[in-house]
Amino acid sequence: AQRVTQPEKLLSVFKGAPVELKCNYSYSGSPELFWYVQYSRQRLQLLLRHISRESIKGFTADLNKGETSFHLKKPFAQEEDSAMYYCALSETSGSRLTFGEGTQLTVNP
Amino acid sequence: SAVISQKPSRDICQRGTSLTIQCQVDSQVTMMFWYRQQPGQSLTLIATANQGSEATYESGFVIDKFPISRPNLTFSTLTVSNMSPEDSSIYLCSVAIEINSPLHFGNGTRLTVT
Repeated sequence: AQRVTQPEKLLSVFKGAPVELKCNYSYSGSPELFWYVQYSRQRLQLLLRHISRESIKGFTADLNKGETSFHLKKPFAQEEDSAMYYCALSETSGSRLTFGEGTQLTVNP
Repeated sequence: SAVISQKPSRDICQRGTSLTIQCQVDSQVTMMFWYRQQPGQSLTLIATANQGSEATYESGFVIDKFPISRPNLTFSTLTVSNMSPEDSSIYLCSVAIEINSPLHFGNGTRLTVT
């Protein structure tokens, strides 16, 4: 069975500090990994997908198959990054997603 | 990406009644899903809405409780039947525009059952 684990429910950093949101997964095949973000009072939106290998809003995430991880990183956090972040897994793009529990990131001034 | 409209955005319902939630997309999409997010928890997939046929339900969810329709490639409904307070959740519609495209989400319907 597929499973996504986000060990930190809450994460608080200061503006300008580096931030890393952890995500580990278990899946027998080669999954697709995603990060979704939900800002206050907004809909859940796609932030990153591992196959794109791009940086969005300064965030990057590298799929580490050996460690079965897909951690989200940003070198310098901004206050507007404060949001709930969900790591998610699917067998292929466009198919159903399995979500982690989410990490609430707070960036303090 | 597609524009996904979900109605109602919120509702307060009495125990034992039913509520139908609508999901309308501004373009044809290949896949439509319904998720539930209970208070303080993550998103859980209820079912895949299949166009022109019965939905595919996840373990723990049944058609009698959560009947789903998908008459075409742009519209789906989820009904929460015979509601109890435990059904109080946010219900979200999610779509994939085409094969191999990522999922996008509606704004959700916040349901409170009293």
